[in-house]
Order: sequence, then structure tokens, then C-alpha cells
Amino acid sequence: AQSVTQLGSHVSVSEGALVLLRCNYSSSVPPYLFWYVQYPNQGLQLLLKYTTGATLVKGINGFEAEFKKSETSFHLTKPSAHMSDAAEYFCAVSPGPNDYKLSFGAGTTVTVRA
Amino acid sequence: KAGVTQTPRYLIKTRGQQVTLSCSPISGHRSVSWYQQTPGQGLQFLFEYFSETQRNKGNFPGRFSGRQFSNSRSEMNVSTLELGDSALYLCASSLEVEQFFGPGTRLTVL
Repeated sequence: AQSVTQLGSHVSVSEGALVLLRCNYSSSVPPYLFWYVQYPNQGLQLLLKYTTGATLVKGINGFEAEFKKSETSFHLTKPSAHMSDAAEYFCAVSPGPNDYKLSFGAGTTVTVRA
Repeated sequence: KAGVTQTPRYLIKTRGQQVTLSCSPISGHRSVSWYQQTPGQGLQFLFEYFSETQRNKGNFPGRFSGRQFSNSRSEMNVSTLELGDSALYLCASSLEVEQFFGPGTRLTVL
């Protein structure tokens, strides 16, 4: 079984500051890991994913995440926050190829201060 | 390519009624998954269909059901609605690993 823990339900950052969202997972098999973003009244948009290979993954809108197996973590970062980054972010895990069941974390709401 | 579409976008029902939600996946995608999103429980997996067969199922009561048609379009049905079924229902379609989500159907049960 897979599960995801996101540390911090709310994060507030200043425009131009580092954004760091924490995600830890548990999985009985090598997992596939994802970060999604959700804007109000919209569906989920994929920011980035880790399946195999390079552990530092770059995504859209300047986000990146690093898969650390020893720490069972997949933290999301962006060097410089923009007002448009204000949204809710979800970390998710799936068991692997051909199993599309996603288990989501509780989400982290990001507020960006001018 | 057109994205995942869901209809209707908003729905208001009363307790005891039933409801059917529709999802049209991205062209060529054969897998469709459904998720329920609520403030209290977050995002929870309902079920996944692949080539008209339910391939995976979450931990929801039998009142929640779904099906997939030969053109990959999918519907989910909730019978005997309860107040707790009020939620955003999200559909996602997949070709390989990546799931693409639709905008969701907001169901309100009064």
C-alpha cells in the first residue's frame, strides 16, 4: 500500500523567495511520484513526475523536485516565487507502471505575499 | 488536442436521488479514473476503467458505480445520495504513466 504525507497545510512566502513544499511517502514497491497543482475551481495540473532514472526532476513553471529514496522524500522547490504560484499543491504516489491508482497527500496551500 | 471534459460542471441534488456524471477522455487514452475531492477526506480514488473493464477500485460503498464505453467515454453513478456525497468529482485519463485531469463536476446534495 502507498501513502503520502505533506508537511504543512499552509505555506506563506514572499514574492521572489524560495518555495519549499515537503512530501514523504511510504510504498512497498518502487513508487512513481507526482506533484500536481490545483487552482480554485479547476482540476489538477501535473507539475512534474518521477518514474525512474535521474532523481532530480524538472517540471513546468520553474518547479523541480528531488527523489531521495533513503529519506523516502520527494520535496518540491521553486527558487523564486511568483504571485501566480498561489494555489494548492498535491503530492501523489502510484505503485508503478500499469497501475494508475494515485494516492494523494492532504495538500499544501501556498500564499504569495507581495 | 482537446483536454478531458466533464459534464455537467455543477449539479444540485437532494438526498435519496441518484446522479450520473460523464467524462470524455483525451483522444487515444484508454484509461479513465475517477476521484472524489472533499475538504475533510481530500482526494480519494474511486475506480479506474481500461478498455471497458474496471481495473481498479477504491474503498467506496456499492452506491458508487461506473462504466466505460467502447469510445473510452466514462460515466459514474451515485445512487441514494447522502449529504456526505457532496464533493468535487474529478475524472482523469491516461495513456501511460501521466494522468490528465478534467475540471471536475461539483455535486451538492441538499
